[in-house]
Amino acid sequence: GAVVSQHPSRVICKSGTSVKIECRSLDFQATTMFWYRQFPKQSLMLMATSNEGSKATYEQGVEKDKFLINHASLTLSTLTVTSAHPEDSSFYICSARRGGGRSNEQFFGPGTRLTVL
Amino acid sequence: AQTVTQSQPEMSVQEAETVTLSCTYDTSENNYYLFWYKQPPSRQMILVIRQEAYKQQNATENRFSVNFQKAAKSFSLKISDSQLGDTAMYFCAFMDNNAGNMLTFGGGTRLMVKP
Repeated sequence: GAVVSQHPSRVICKSGTSVKIECRSLDFQATTMFWYRQFPKQSLMLMATSNEGSKATYEQGVEKDKFLINHASLTLSTLTVTSAHPEDSSFYICSARRGGGRSNEQFFGPGTRLTVL
Repeated sequence: AQTVTQSQPEMSVQEAETVTLSCTYDTSENNYYLFWYKQPPSRQMILVIRQEAYKQQNATENRFSVNFQKAAKSFSLKISDSQLGDTAMYFCAFMDNNAGNMLTFGGGTRLMVKP
């Protein structure tokens, strides 16, 4: 159990367009989801924390108007990269925290590789 | 703010041998968890092992074990009987139970298991 999916796995877009990435918890309800960004050969950097039904909390230096996060249900969070630029090209990973039980564990999605031309 | 440091950017080990990956962290909290995650070339993050700070006993999971030194704020990972499939990036991570369960990751150690 505790599977998290991301869609799409890869996306290529033109500069100036917007891209939406979906993160779904397939077999559990996720009270909290996290979005990370990972540059090549680097670690994961937390971008924002989203709680179902409330506004996301962004980390310092992350533009909330550029990286729109919506957590409309207990199984789905979306990250929209607006007006994408080449410097937004990166690997984006989501994770989901299951409510209750061993609720401190995060389950990771397989990631989305974004390339902005 | 918490910081996690992995001082070994790359390591290699012969198949079937033992290797230890280092991790140190800095925090003023007492209630926290520590994790080791593996990221193979597929880039899927896989939980290897977890340690609860209030437990003195070191966690073990089959060939993986940790040496948790709370006073020294050290959390090393030992991989015994290394296998080719252990080749991956390994990330040490810290979670403050009082801070929304956010994970703070170390910079990672790239482990290569050689045949």
